[in-house]
Amino acid sequence: AQSVAQPEDQVNVAEGNPLTVKCTYSVSGNPYLFWYVQYPNRGLQFLLKYITGDNLVKGSYGFEAEFNKSQTSFHLKKPSALVSDSALYFCAVRDSGGYNKLIFGAGTRLAVHP
Amino acid sequence: DGGITQSPKYLFRKEGQNVTLSCEQNLNHDAMYWYRQDPGQGLRLIYYSQIVNDFQKGDIAEGYSVSREKKESFPLTVTSAQKNPTAFYLCASSKTGGNEQFFGPGTRLTVL
Repeated sequence: AQSVAQPEDQVNVAEGNPLTVKCTYSVSGNPYLFWYVQYPNRGLQFLLKYITGDNLVKGSYGFEAEFNKSQTSFHLKKPSALVSDSALYFCAVRDSGGYNKLIFGAGTRLAVHP
Repeated sequence: DGGITQSPKYLFRKEGQNVTLSCEQNLNHDAMYWYRQDPGQGLRLIYYSQIVNDFQKGDIAEGYSVSREKKESFPLTVTSAQKNPTAFYLCASSKTGGNEQFFGPGTRLTVL
């Protein structure tokens, strides 16, 4: 079965430190992977995606993600965290059954402390 | 959130009542989606539509209905058959063959 796992419910980071939010996936065929961010009582905002090509993908707000096929992972990273990065982060994979359906992980809450 | 609007932002419903959530997009996207979000469960797909006058059930369609009479609009009706409707509802759209979905600001439905 196709799935996305975000193993950490919450990640705590000090401002200025690097951050990593983990994501692993299970899908048949080549994966199309996405990261979204959600602020309280708001919709999801697209951060970045991996379709093909370079394993390191750069996205919005200084975020980047590294695709690792052997480990079936797509971890979100940022070199220096900001307090304003505190939000709920979702990893998603495109359903290989088509129709551009996305399968979402349960989300990871990122808390950046001053 | 740009390009996709959802209304109302907050909605209260009595048990046994049907209620309709609005979703409109001006992105000229063919595909539209409805998701339900509950704490700690991520997003779950309710219905999706690839073209006008066509839609498919998602993973949790029971107790919900949709229509797609216009490209720009994809309203969701939460019926009285939905046993636990209190949740945050998100609408999204994407280009045909496109990949990322763009989300509206959401509607928070509370059943009293």
